[in-house]
Amino acid sequence: SQQGEEDPQALSIQEGENATMNCSYKTSINNLQWYRQNSGRGLVHLILIRSNEREKHSGRLRVTLDTSKKSSSLLITASRAADTASYFCATPPRSARQLTFGSGTQLTVLP
Amino acid sequence: DSGVTQTPKHLITATGQRVTLRCSPRSGDLSVYWYQQSLDQGLQFLIQYYNGEERAKGNILERFSAQQFPDLHSELNLSSLELGDSALYFCASSAGQGPISTDTQYFGPGTRLTVL
Repeated sequence: SQQGEEDPQALSIQEGENATMNCSYKTSINNLQWYRQNSGRGLVHLILIRSNEREKHSGRLRVTLDTSKKSSSLLITASRAADTASYFCATPPRSARQLTFGSGTQLTVLP
Repeated sequence: DSGVTQTPKHLITATGQRVTLRCSPRSGDLSVYWYQQSLDQGLQFLIQYYNGEERAKGNILERFSAQQFPDLHSELNLSSLELGDSALYFCASSAGQGPISTDTQYFGPGTRLTVL
């Protein structure tokens, strides 16, 4: 079963709007990572947030982590058409070395 | 460009055949990871090698095997191929031993395998 699950499955917004994606996970983690994948291409690492951090920023990205609720959110501000992609959260459970990916949120930013 | 290279880009073959996918990690990275991405299963971790040795194993079938060579490149061998093996296969690399050390994984462009 998936460790992380993203919500919503798909999101469509206008350019300039903010996009928020959520991720829920099941077991204790050391960190949580967000990746982006353009259609048919490899994944690109966006940001990593450690389990003792609550919020992290990188450019137009803001990630929050609530370990009590086992959830994280990724906010993309002032979205652009180039942000159109699938976004995945990935969690390495404390008991394992591998990254487990959710099923992703497909974001479409309309010009 | 992540610095991770994968060959070939596309592979079309028939059921029952055997193929080898190749991955060269970023310069200096010691870990190589293999993932399978299909529409029905999503992105699944297969196996990790660190400095030539198997480090972690995921949902890898017995028909699949991998190795990491002394020059750190890695190969994923898929045998007795079935229609359901059609997928994108990604290789990733990282500097350290894995996610527990908060390593960032850098993904290659993938190999698209089609089994007819």
